[in-house]
Order: sequence, then structure tokens, then C-alpha cells
Amino acid sequence: SQQGEEDPQALSIQEGENATMNCSYKTSINNLQWYRQNSGRGLVHLILIRSNEREKHSGRLRVTLDTSKKSSSLLITASRAADTASYFCAYYNAGNNRKLIWGLGTSLAVNP
Amino acid sequence: GAGVSQSPSNKVTEKGKDVELRCDPISGHTALYWYRQSLGQGLEFLIYFQGNSAPDKSGLPSDRFSAERTGGSVSTLTIQRTQQEDSAVYLCASSPAGVEETQYFGPGTRLLVL
Repeated sequence: SQQGEEDPQALSIQEGENATMNCSYKTSINNLQWYRQNSGRGLVHLILIRSNEREKHSGRLRVTLDTSKKSSSLLITASRAADTASYFCAYYNAGNNRKLIWGLGTSLAVNP
Repeated sequence: GAGVSQSPSNKVTEKGKDVELRCDPISGHTALYWYRQSLGQGLEFLIYFQGNSAPDKSGLPSDRFSAERTGGSVSTLTIQRTQQEDSAVYLCASSPAGVEETQYFGPGTRLLVL
């Protein structure tokens, strides 16, 4: 299976703490994306990192990519209760650039 | 601007009945995707459209599933003779050109087959 894998499957932290989620993938990629899903706003794109990039920031989000280890991490700093959601990594197989392959997600709970 | 819309938001049907799910992509987006998400799971790719053609139908789980897209815009996913295992959230996404881009998702249709 080409499916990506996130870990941990579930994470529970207190407001203000940082949350780190990891994603591993199995194929060559051109870019990797992170999405967030919650009941209020559905599935929303967060950030895209290209294979020639090692780190990317967007507000309180920091994404890293290590193509040699076929892994990526998403760091959310100074978490808020509103960050409670499931987070998914997704990527296009370099040989098939029209189909996103999705991980199973990390369920993050940020407690007030 | 308007995002991706899907209808109905919820659908309850009896086993054996046919259902149609509709997706209105963002105006001007040529690529359209259908996914299925079971409870607590990731997304399962079903089908991809570029314009009106479907170059990749590899994810359709059985011949009971079909989809069409007309006028390069609205798409309909049809499930015939529904089974209980078809119960899931069906998500539609669109993107401007479909090549390794961000996808914009609709709110989904929650299907329950009794």
C-alpha cells in the first residue's frame, strides 16, 4: 500500500503547549501537504512543502521534510483549543501526479 | 467567493436503494475529485475528473459506483443498490488544474445505509 502513516494516532495536550505530528511515506514525491479536519470547517489545506524544501513556516505552523527518511513533521506552537482537529498528511506519488495519497491522520485534542 | 458545495449534507437510505450525491466545484476549477471517508479513517480516493473526462477511475470500489461530470462543472456520484458498507462520508474536492496542487474540499455528504 502506498498509504502514508501518521504518528501518533492521537495526541492530547494543554493549551499553550506545542504539538508535533509525524508523517512517513513510501514513494518518491514532488510535494507533501498537510490538511486539518474538524467538524466546524471540514477538511482544510494548511501548508504545502516541496521536495526541494526542508522547512516551511505558516503562522504557528512549522513543517519539515526529510526526503532521505521519507518523513515529514508538523509542529503547532502555542496550541489553542481551536486547534483541536484531525491532521492529515497527503502527497502525490511522483509517478502519478493527479492522485493524492492520504495518511490515516493524527487526532489532536487541545484542552483548555 | 463560493467554495465547493455538496448536497445533500446527510442521506439516510435503505439497503438496495440507489443514491445520487452532488458536487458543485469552485468556479473555474477544472479538476474534481471524489473521496470516501469511513469513521475515524483517512480518505479513500474514488475518482478524478479533468474537465468532463475521468482519466482515473481506479478507486471506484465496485461497478455499483459511477460518476459523471457535465459542462466541466457539477459532478454526480451515483451508488446503485446500496449496501451497509457504503455508509461513509463522501467528500468532493476541486483544484484549478489538477496537477499536484492544493485541493479545496466541500463539507461532504454523510451517507447512512440501513
